[in-house]
Amino acid sequence: NAGVTQTPKFQVLKTGQSMTLQCAQDMNHNSMYWYRQDPGMGLRLIYYSASEGTTDKGEVPNGYNVSRLNKREFSLRLESAAPSQTSVYFCASSEGPRGHEQFFGPGTRLTVL
Amino acid sequence: GQQVMQIPQYQHVQEGEDFTTYCNSSTTLSNIQWYKQRPGGHPVFLIQLVKSGEVKKQKRLTFQFGEAKKNSSLHITATQTTDVGTYFCAGPGKAGTYKYIFGTGTRLKVLA
Repeated sequence: NAGVTQTPKFQVLKTGQSMTLQCAQDMNHNSMYWYRQDPGMGLRLIYYSASEGTTDKGEVPNGYNVSRLNKREFSLRLESAAPSQTSVYFCASSEGPRGHEQFFGPGTRLTVL
Repeated sequence: GQQVMQIPQYQHVQEGEDFTTYCNSSTTLSNIQWYKQRPGGHPVFLIQLVKSGEVKKQKRLTFQFGEAKKNSSLHITATQTTDVGTYFCAGPGKAGTYKYIFGTGTRLKVLA
């Protein structure tokens, strides 16, 4: 089992460009999450999907959109990238939305110039 | 809004010394989780505590959940260089949502 995979690993964008971060899990998990991690800020939840077909905003959703394509895949889209979105992005999944451990992907390091 | 704070932010210890990180929530938590992130890596789940006053041990790591379920601690006995990393606690968000709120983390450096 690969667990949680993310693509790409690294990305550099110019301000105003758009891109989609891909995430897939092979553990048959119901819930999936997108976090961003900035120095000294810990992990902040951008969006989550408690189950297939549902998505909800987290703490910092502005500037992002998500799609739960199917049970395995959960993508994060930046429509018009800004320097403030420079961060490391982690996707995670869990068996259910509460009381279950989250399994994290290796992360995507994004720089917006 | 709901906050989860951790102290200290950084800790440097000599190998063999003990280490403790504390996690405090502004609200009562139904459970609390702990994660470890090695430098350059991704967070990895360590444990979940559910009951008031619960204490769990994993080898040299001792986890405690406060009686009021608003605070938690992680204690490492006789640190080793393999303990290096950032330790995060995480608690459920407000009722009716399914999000977890992560603490700011404690970065541990172990000096050999």
